[in-house]
Amino acid sequence: NAGVTQTPKFQVLKTGQSMTLQCAQDMNHNSMYWYRQDPGMGLRLIYYSASEGTTDKGEVPNGYNVSRLNKREFSLRLESAAPSQTSVYFCASGDGRGSGELFFGEGSRLTVL
Amino acid sequence: AQTVTQSQPEMSVQEAETVTLSCTYDTSESDYYLFWYKQPPSRQMILVIRQEAYKQQNATENRFSVNFQKAAKSFSLKISDSQLGDAAMYFCAYRSPGVRDMRFGAGTRLTVKP
Repeated sequence: NAGVTQTPKFQVLKTGQSMTLQCAQDMNHNSMYWYRQDPGMGLRLIYYSASEGTTDKGEVPNGYNVSRLNKREFSLRLESAAPSQTSVYFCASGDGRGSGELFFGEGSRLTVL
Repeated sequence: AQTVTQSQPEMSVQEAETVTLSCTYDTSESDYYLFWYKQPPSRQMILVIRQEAYKQQNATENRFSVNFQKAAKSFSLKISDSQLGDAAMYFCAYRSPGVRDMRFGAGTRLTVKP
């Protein structure tokens, strides 16, 4: 039972380079989320997808794009990485009803030099 | 917008003792969920305990319990009989019913001393 799987776990980029973080969940959840975690700031929402085919901006969307490829997969793209995007990124999924709990991937540490 | 505040950046506790982590939140909604997540050095976010706002009874999960004060908008986590494995970052979180996102506090780093 994999839950939420995100790749890569670690990545180092140079300023201006692009990359995509991949996320997949096998729990048949409708909603998926991308958060970033920075010291002293908790987790902040970048983008979320309430269902397949829909995406919405969160608290800190600038510099990012997302794609909800299908019900299982939700990717996050950095088109032109900046040092301010150095962070740990988490993908999560959940249901709109029920327990309200979100299930998280193991995180991806991204460093932009 | 809902906000979650954890006023204790760091806490420490002696092994086998009890510690309480504080959390307050701001909302105008009457129905919502509250959570405590644990993040050990592995980075994995692990759900510790969940509280539904309409339930007056405080949630309990083994050594972990909460003190939910809805009127005061307070949601503290008590860890009894602390163990070395409890050392981690703890996040308080709020979520409205539906597909909306989860809002997190800044976290409290808990150290457990042997």
